[in-house]
Amino acid sequence: GENVEQHPSTLSVQEGDSAVIKCTYSDSASNYFPWYKQELGKRPQLIIDIRSNVGEKKDQRIAVTLNKTAKHFSLHITETQPEDSAVYFCAALEYGNKLVFGAGTILRVKS
Amino acid sequence: KAGVTQTPRYLIKTRGQQVTLSCSPISGHRSVSWYQQTPGQGLQFLFEYFSETQRNKGNFPGRFSGRQFSNSRSEMNVSTLELGDSALYLCASSWLGREGGETQYFGPGTRLLVL
Repeated sequence: GENVEQHPSTLSVQEGDSAVIKCTYSDSASNYFPWYKQELGKRPQLIIDIRSNVGEKKDQRIAVTLNKTAKHFSLHITETQPEDSAVYFCAALEYGNKLVFGAGTILRVKS
Repeated sequence: KAGVTQTPRYLIKTRGQQVTLSCSPISGHRSVSWYQQTPGQGLQFLFEYFSETQRNKGNFPGRFSGRQFSNSRSEMNVSTLELGDSALYLCASSWLGREGGETQYFGPGTRLLVL
């Protein structure tokens, strides 16, 4: 089955800097890759997603890139703000509607 | 539109008991998936229901079961609770859960503590 690895497990950046989180997946058949943000005590919320027919997608300060050949995808957050502090999860759609998640990255933005 | 809701939000049970958790999807959504979240294992897929049928199942023992009703509301049941079942149980809904990926919207979760 699908396996998703996520790095780093923790990331500290200064406010205004960029943050990059990387994920690799194992199943070349996977074609949908969402990213979720989970604040302490709250539900995971989708922040951006990408499908396998696209190499990059941007939404304001957030961007995701996908390299199907290498089977990895990355989340880029520019101009980080304290409210970006949270746990970020990448995921890959295995089959049907089953999401396989990475272990998560704790992002701390220091002001 | 109201978001995904889950009840109860918190539960405390003892080993050997059983528990039923409920999930109401976003209006119009027909696919409901369940995930278990723990510090050690992260987010793991339990099962998915569509039109009252289980379409997909994760690698959990048979003590974990679920069902979906005609209004798309879903319940999951855990029998003979074990300490390791303590977790945040999240449900997520999407329109049809089609191949190619649809956004899954998560509920707030039910936090289960087994003593």
